[in-house]
Amino acid sequence: GENVEQHPSTLSVQEGDSAVIKCTYSDSASNYFPWYKQELGKRPQLIIDIRSNVGEKKDQRIAVTLNKTAKHFSLHITETQPEDSAVYFCAVTGFQKLVFGTGTRLLVSP
Amino acid sequence: DAGVTQSPTHLIKTRGQHVTLRCSPISGHKSVSWYQQVLGQGPQFIFQYYEKEERGRGNFPDRFSARQFPNYSSELNVNALLLGDSALYLCASSFSPSGGLGDTQYFGPGTRLTVL
Repeated sequence: GENVEQHPSTLSVQEGDSAVIKCTYSDSASNYFPWYKQELGKRPQLIIDIRSNVGEKKDQRIAVTLNKTAKHFSLHITETQPEDSAVYFCAVTGFQKLVFGTGTRLLVSP
Repeated sequence: DAGVTQSPTHLIKTRGQHVTLRCSPISGHKSVSWYQQVLGQGPQFIFQYYEKEERGRGNFPDRFSARQFPNYSSELNVNALLLGDSALYLCASSFSPSGGLGDTQYFGPGTRLTVL
């Protein structure tokens, strides 16, 4: 089945710095790659997604890049703010299901 | 515009008991997926339903079952509860099932199940 690896598990940055989280997947047939942000005690919220026919997508301070050949995709957050602190999950569409990474805890210090 | 809703918010059960969790999808969405999220881990896929039919099943024992109703709401049932079933149970809705256009999933607030 689909396997998704996510790195790093924790990431600490200073406010204003950039943060990058990377995920690798195993199934070359995967075609949809969303990123979710989950604050403590709350639901996962979709922040950005990308499909396999696109290499990069940007939404204000957030961007996602996809390398289908290497089977990895990354989340880029620029000009980080304390409210970006949360756990971020990547996910990949597997056969009839969404498979999640193990999560990255991002801490943005003022 | 209402999002995905789940009930109850919290639930405490004892080992061996049975539990039913409920989910109402976003209006117009026909697919519902269920996930189990253990503290400190990512959501693990349990079931996906589309148009009242099971479209996918994760690696969970037969104690877990689900169904989808004509109005696209869904129930997750867990029998013979174990301590290890304690988790946040998340429901997600999408217009279509995974793998197709419109399969973006939006999550409900979850049901926190504690098994004592």
